[in-house]
Amino acid sequence: GQQVMQIPQYQPVQEGEDFTTYCNSSTTLSNIQWYKQRPGGHPVFLIQLVKSGEVKKQKRLTFQFGEAKKNSSLHITATQTTDVGTYFCAANDYKLSFGAGTTVTVRA
Amino acid sequence: DVKVTQSSRYLVKRTGEKVFLECVQDMDHENMFWYRQDPGLGLRLIYFSYDVKMKEKGDIPEGYSVSREKKERFSLILESASTNQTSMYLCASSALLGAGYEQYFGPGTRLTVT
Repeated sequence: GQQVMQIPQYQPVQEGEDFTTYCNSSTTLSNIQWYKQRPGGHPVFLIQLVKSGEVKKQKRLTFQFGEAKKNSSLHITATQTTDVGTYFCAANDYKLSFGAGTTVTVRA
Repeated sequence: DVKVTQSSRYLVKRTGEKVFLECVQDMDHENMFWYRQDPGLGLRLIYFSYDVKMKEKGDIPEGYSVSREKKERFSLILESASTNQTSMYLCASSALLGAGYEQYFGPGTRLTVT
């Protein structure tokens, strides 16, 4: 399957700060999905990006698909304790290939 | 709401035992998947099935087999459990393969092989 690299692996964040997690591939992706897994929970679908340069927002979360469709990013504004968890990107051909995830912890 | 259920949340087995992990979905989805999740490695696909009795190997099928006799049920079988199969196992389903079809995950089974 397609390989996606996700950085950073761990992201400690001060409450109220912004942060970004990145997902990179050496090959062109047809589309990419993002999932969130809360501690002790299971992955839950957040969004899918399909078009080159696409930007989608969900409240304080901004998702972007690169122009070359080889990378994607998730930017969270004004981090809250509810943002704690692991965020996965997943390359989607006919099955998903998941990145290793970025685990976010929040300091109050 | 889509519901994916797994037979056990926690399971402890001995080396060499045959282990069955069961997954059931209630949304009439065509596709079902088994992943294992390990720290720092993300989710790795073991097997998936796109129809009853149909299966396809994922990225790490060695040591595992699967069975899908009914559309709603997908079983993962460890023929002879080994300690390196200690992991979190996640089942998922989706309506179709490919773009636009999100996967719905079950709660996971944490398997410990001693």
